[in-house]
Amino acid sequence: DTGVSQDPRHKITKRGQNVTFRCDPISEHNRLYWYRQTLGQGPEFLTYFQNEAQLEKSRLLSDRFSAERPKGSFSTLEIQRTEQGDSAMYLCASSPGQGADYEQYFGPGTRLTVT
Amino acid sequence: AQSVTQPDIHITVSEGASLELRCNYSYGATPYLFWYVQSPGQGLQLLLKYFSGDTLVQGIKGFEAEFKRSQSSFNLRKPSVHWSDAAEYFCAVGAYQGAQKLVFGQGTRLTINP
Repeated sequence: DTGVSQDPRHKITKRGQNVTFRCDPISEHNRLYWYRQTLGQGPEFLTYFQNEAQLEKSRLLSDRFSAERPKGSFSTLEIQRTEQGDSAMYLCASSPGQGADYEQYFGPGTRLTVT
Repeated sequence: AQSVTQPDIHITVSEGASLELRCNYSYGATPYLFWYVQSPGQGLQLLLKYFSGDTLVQGIKGFEAEFKRSQSSFNLRKPSVHWSDAAEYFCAVGAYQGAQKLVFGQGTRLTINP
């Protein structure tokens, strides 16, 4: 068990560019979550996958954001036409999702800076 | 809808002193409650969680938390802090059903004086 990994750890991009982040969950965890954390705030839920199905999206996830989880393994989060307000830490978490005793394991995050 | 309030944005304590971080939640049913710790530039590490049963839960690194339904609180405590405890602490509430997403408070930054 190597934990949740995210790539890249840091990304600097210019406004208007597209960026894509990757998350590799703990193997055999069927639930995967994306959160966004801005400076001085707690993480906010963005979206959730059960295996390959995206089952819930937050209103925070504008049309410029898209997430996928092909084959129910790794996930990608793409932001199109980035804006300065997208600057944040993007956190991925996975969970075995078995019954009521669930726990989310977080990755180290990808810090995005939009200039 | 769920919500979490951490009233203290920043707390400073001396090394060896006791610590209590406050957390109040709002949720219409029995909540799942969590405390996470985040060191600078790092992801979140789970300290402890409460689902049901004994309202005093023990976690890692010597932390404990007490669930008080009447006060809608889940305060985190440690009898004697160490310099390595300096970090950001987040309280979170999780829903029982559905996506079981977590709703976090805004965090409390802990500074330790030597």
